[in-house]
Amino acid sequence: EVQLVESGGGLVQPGGSRRLSCAASGFPFSSYEMNWVRQAPGKGLEWVSYISSSGNYQHYSDSVKGRFTISRDNAKSSLYLQMSSLRAEDTAVYYCAAAVTTYDAFDVWGQGTLVTVSS
Amino acid sequence: QSVLTQSPSVSAAPGQKVTISCSGSSSNIGNNYVSWYQQLPGTAPKLLIYDNHKRPSGIPDRFSGSKSGTSATLDITGLQTGDEADYYCGTWDSSLRAGVFGGGTKLTVL
Repeated sequence: EVQLVESGGGLVQPGGSRRLSCAASGFPFSSYEMNWVRQAPGKGLEWVSYISSSGNYQHYSDSVKGRFTISRDNAKSSLYLQMSSLRAEDTAVYYCAAAVTTYDAFDVWGQGTLVTVSS
Repeated sequence: QSVLTQSPSVSAAPGQKVTISCSGSSSNIGNNYVSWYQQLPGTAPKLLIYDNHKRPSGIPDRFSGSKSGTSATLDITGLQTGDEADYYCGTWDSSLRAGVFGGGTKLTVL
């Protein structure tokens, strides 16, 4: 079964850091590009970041550029999001998402992990 | 403010048809494939339509998508109460070098 499982969410103080993980299974992880998408409470979806299958290329939304770093470990079939200088507006459910059977649409999503930035 | 524009809400009776629109620009919808997602309350988004009009395996043909210029539409026919959800359009923006979503449309089946 194709599956993505996020972990690492929790309560973080403003200005703090947090590392999210996404464990992939059921597909050849190293062959696929990966993304992070977030959703603030009661709000819509917001794309956060992209990483190529090799890990050599990354893209970020303007709202997180310079503060968040996406990375991957293909040997461990894992995706990461290192978040720093966290702000209240970063409070959201963070999903990892992949285009496994499509070219660029996200057909596989994790269950999400909630990050709450508050003092 | 989302890069892609969707109406906040739409409603229709069971059995009826509804159209959800998504408006963008030449840097996103105009030159890239559009996808549509359904999000039921408390769950992760689910892919409904990709490459403007294709349906993943298991998605009923009551759901259909199309694109014209810088706009895209999602049609849902034979509405069921189980279709009540938030619907999002998404694509890549070549100028921003970023993924973009619409603000979402809440569908109510009366």
